[in-house]
Amino acid sequence: GQQVMQIPQYQHVQEGEDFTTYCNSSTTLSNIQWYKQRPGGHPVFLIQLVKSGEVKKQKRLTFQFGEAKKNSSLHITATQTTDVGTYFCAGEASNDYKLSFGAGTTVTVRA
Amino acid sequence: GAVVSQHPSWVICKSGTSVKIECRSLDFQATTMFWYRQFPKQSLMLMATSNEGSKATYEQGVEKDKFLINHASLTLSTLTVTSAHPEDSSFYICSASGTVLSNQPQHFGDGTRLSIL
Repeated sequence: GQQVMQIPQYQHVQEGEDFTTYCNSSTTLSNIQWYKQRPGGHPVFLIQLVKSGEVKKQKRLTFQFGEAKKNSSLHITATQTTDVGTYFCAGEASNDYKLSFGAGTTVTVRA
Repeated sequence: GAVVSQHPSWVICKSGTSVKIECRSLDFQATTMFWYRQFPKQSLMLMATSNEGSKATYEQGVEKDKFLINHASLTLSTLTVTSAHPEDSSFYICSASGTVLSNQPQHFGDGTRLSIL
């Protein structure tokens, strides 16, 4: 079945620094979505990427979808303490809304 | 915006008890609802997909007789964990998709933390 791998599992970042989390799918995706989950909370939708090579920005967050629609990345610049949480990518292989979640990248920030 | 309500948010009960979790779409019709399970420090694992008025489709390894799903209306799906045991303790989250104009394809509930003693 479809598998979505995500690295790194943990990211400890100095406040103000940048970091990137990467996702790779074993199959071509129709779209990939990114979610953020705070400790004790539920996943909160961040964005959906649909087109090959698509790049979208949300303030300090930059999301990319690979040309082959099998990989994606989330890059955060100038990390802040509010960025703490676990970031999940989730791939949809066919247009049936079923998502395969990556393992998540748990981000901690040191001031 | 689209809202999905999940109830209860926290359940603690004895081993052998059956527990029902509700997932409601408050302001849109959810043609499809998904149930996920998340163990501590792990990712979300899809358990089953339910479409209104039809039987749920379970993912491999998920016991359909253990986790009963009912999607009787376009705004309500329920997950019943039958004869729950400590190994069923987890965070259960529903999501819904349907006829709503939104920039996101799925809307997640707040989740239910289930603890079986």
